[in-house]
Amino acid sequence: AQTVTQSQPEMSVQEAETVTLSCTYDTSESDYYLFWYKQPPSRQMILVIRQEAYKQQNATENRFSVNFQKAAKSFSLKISDSQLGDAAMYFCAYIESGSRLTFGEGTQLTVNP
Amino acid sequence: DAGVTQSPTHLIKTRGQQVTLRCSPKSGHDTVSWYQQALGQGPQFIFQYYEEEERQRGNFPDRFSGHQFPNYSSELNVNALLLGDSALYLCASSLFPTSSGNTIYFGEGSWLTVV
Repeated sequence: AQTVTQSQPEMSVQEAETVTLSCTYDTSESDYYLFWYKQPPSRQMILVIRQEAYKQQNATENRFSVNFQKAAKSFSLKISDSQLGDAAMYFCAYIESGSRLTFGEGTQLTVNP
Repeated sequence: DAGVTQSPTHLIKTRGQQVTLRCSPKSGHDTVSWYQQALGQGPQFIFQYYEEEERQRGNFPDRFSGHQFPNYSSELNVNALLLGDSALYLCASSLFPTSSGNTIYFGEGSWLTVV
């Protein structure tokens, strides 16, 4: 079965510092897409960043970047210069040949002032 | 440009009742998917609709059914409610096919509590 594992249920970071959230996944496909979603207390899922598996270059969106290791099936999210508004639940997910997003269990990020 | 809208926001139902949740996709999107998110867990895929047909289904019983209308909006119906159906139900919209990496947008969800 396809799975996504987020081994850190909770993480905390000081404002303005950097934090890395871990994610590993299992798939037999060679072509797929990986995502990090943010879910604040409002509960709406917000796309943070996405990575196409066939691209070797790691995706970057402003303060957010990923470390994509295809052979290791690892997809970590780095948040630089953390802000109070970054506090949320973060979900790693992927989509392959089917229609569904498969999500991990999430990492609750706390940002300390 | 309105994003994905869902209604109702919150509702409480009794065991054995039936519930209908509604979703309007983001403008220009033709595909709607539904997810169930239990408290403290990641969302689980229920099914996806495109061209008014169910295209793929997750591991959910037949009590969960859906519909897509010609204007691309969608409904999720759950019959014979169980306490375990209490969850946040998320609607997601995109262009078809989602497997090509088209961006998937989510609504704010409908909180269902079954008592």
